[in-house]
This record gives sequence, structure tokens and C-alpha cells, in this order.
Amino acid sequence: EIVLTQSPGTLSLSPGERATLTCRASQSINSRYLAWYQQKPGQAARLLIYGASSRATGIPDRFSGSGSGTEFTLTINRLEPEDFAVYYCQQYGNSPPFSFGQGTKLEI
Amino acid sequence: EVQLVESGGGLVQPGGSLRLSCAASGFNFSPYSMNWVRQAPGKGLEWVSYITGDARRIYYADSVKGRFTISRDNANRASYLQMNSLRAEDTAVYYCARSVEGAFDVWGQGTMVTVSS
Repeated sequence: EIVLTQSPGTLSLSPGERATLTCRASQSINSRYLAWYQQKPGQAARLLIYGASSRATGIPDRFSGSGSGTEFTLTINRLEPEDFAVYYCQQYGNSPPFSFGQGTKLEI
Repeated sequence: EVQLVESGGGLVQPGGSLRLSCAASGFNFSPYSMNWVRQAPGKGLEWVSYITGDARRIYYADSVKGRFTISRDNANRASYLQMNSLRAEDTAVYYCARSVEGAFDVWGQGTMVTVSS
């Protein structure tokens, strides 16, 4: 099973700054199968990025994803107040199990 | 509007059973693979189970294999998770989620399952 490790665990920034979140995989992943999600308290997760770098429908262009192999990055430019949440990476390979990272909390 | 609505959660004793339902609306349900994902209180997301649109391929996380059964009824646009031999560590919010090219693009609001005596 592929283990995803996210860093940092908590990231403290201010509105207007840039956030860089990292997701490292225990083995190489086809970048087609790496996604990022945002979750706010009391809400379900929301798909932000799929295929490592493609934005999901309705996601602002300040969110971008990159990476390949075992290291992937989610970058959020010009942080807005509504961006402060928990972010998860996920690998969804050719077949399950589909693993999530442990999450990065982005706080003000 | 594309929507998934879970139901069936509640309080159950250890060793008990519960059946969760996920009702889909706003899209053609049958071609899509569906998943169940859970989140224990204060913890991260854990994928639980997956079923293809035609139900020919089904997978489970090791933590629930042999105890949980996923199914679907395409005519009624619903997915189900039958949970048996429940344990305290199964306590979580359970979400159903649609797969598009593997990524989970639509999620329900979740249903809480509490396993406690």
C-alpha cells in the first residue's frame, strides 16, 4: 500500500501570502492519480486538483498543483480568508486501496 | 444539481450492524464508480470501499474487509454500505463519494456512526 506523508502538519500564514504544501509518497505514483482536497470544519472534502495539476470545476486559479514521482506540491497564491482549512492529498491508482495523506492544517 | 445524500447512521453497540445508504441525484448514476470514505472524530480521511458502475469490481480497506459489504442499485440511483461486527474504532462520519477518472469529485454531507455500549 502506498503511504502518503504531508508536510508541514500545520502551516500558519496570513491572507495575501503564498502557501506551499507538500505530499510525499512511499513509492512512485503515476501523476495521473494524485489529487488534492480541501476540508473545512463540519463539511465534506472538496476536490481541488486531480491528475496532480488539473483544477477541478469551479476552483480558482490561485490553486495550483505540481510534481511527479514521489513528491507533489499544492500551491495557493494570494491566500483568501476562505482558504484556511485542512488539505489532503490522495493517490487513486489503477485500483484500490486509495490512500489519503494525514492532512495539512492551514491556519491564520 | 449533482448531489449525494447519505442516511442510516446512528448509535449501535459493539458487534452490531448498520446499513448506510447514499442517494444520488442530478446525474446519470449507473456509469460512475462510487466510494465510501470515513473520518473518525478529529482525524483524517480514510477510504473504506469502492464499487464500479456495473458492480463487477469491488474493493475494501483491510480495516473493514470481511465485515463491510458495499453494493448499489442503479435503478434506484443508490449505493449502500452494510456494516457488520462493528467495533468502537469504526466510529466516524461516513461519506459517499463519486469517482471521476479516479478522483472523488462529488461528496455527500456524511452520516455519523457511533459504536458504543
